[in-house]
Amino acid sequence: DIQMTQSPSSLSASVGDRVTITCQASQDINKYLSWYQGKPGRAPKLLIHDASTLETGVPGRFSGRGSGTDFTFTISGLQPEDIATYYCQQYDSLPLTFGGGTKVEIK
Amino acid sequence: EVQLVESGGGLVQPGRSLRLSCAASGFTFDDYAMHWVRQIPGKGLEWVSGISWNSVSIAYGDSVKGRFTISRDNTKKYLYLQMNSLRPEDTALYFCAKSPGEVRLYHYMDVWGRGTTVTVSS
Repeated sequence: DIQMTQSPSSLSASVGDRVTITCQASQDINKYLSWYQGKPGRAPKLLIHDASTLETGVPGRFSGRGSGTDFTFTISGLQPEDIATYYCQQYDSLPLTFGGGTKVEIK
Repeated sequence: EVQLVESGGGLVQPGRSLRLSCAASGFTFDDYAMHWVRQIPGKGLEWVSGISWNSVSIAYGDSVKGRFTISRDNTKKYLYLQMNSLRPEDTALYFCAKSPGEVRLYHYMDVWGRGTTVTVSS
């Protein structure tokens, strides 16, 4: 199984700050990585797929990059509505696996 | 509006069974593969199972293999998860999720439901 190591597990930042989350795969997954936003009581939301492709309707302050084993997810200008837990997921092979999540809070 | 609504969760004793359902609407259900993903309390997401549009390709995570069975009814637009021999470690919020593709199970998930809670306890 491919292990996804996500860091940090939590972070606190101010409104307007740039926030970066990293995700490392235990083996080469090409570009087959997606990022999700999870909020309590709500359906998780797909933000990015293929490492850097932004889903329709997702604000441009969200971005992703990387390939192979190392990936980053960035919020350029944190907003109060971005408070959530963010997860990466690889889909290079089965079983599908997720990173442990990063809880983003406002300072 | 594309929507997935899970149901069937509840409190069940260890060793018993439960069947989860997921009602799909707002899209052509039989054009897409579907998945179940769970979130164990206080922890992250774990992929449980996936099924292709025509039920030919099916796969399970190691922790549920041999105990859980995924199925779908394309005429009714429903996805199911039959869970047998339940264990306390199966306690989780179970999400139904849609794949953007028909056949390939190794994919991301572009639409999710809000989940249904399963608690396994005596």
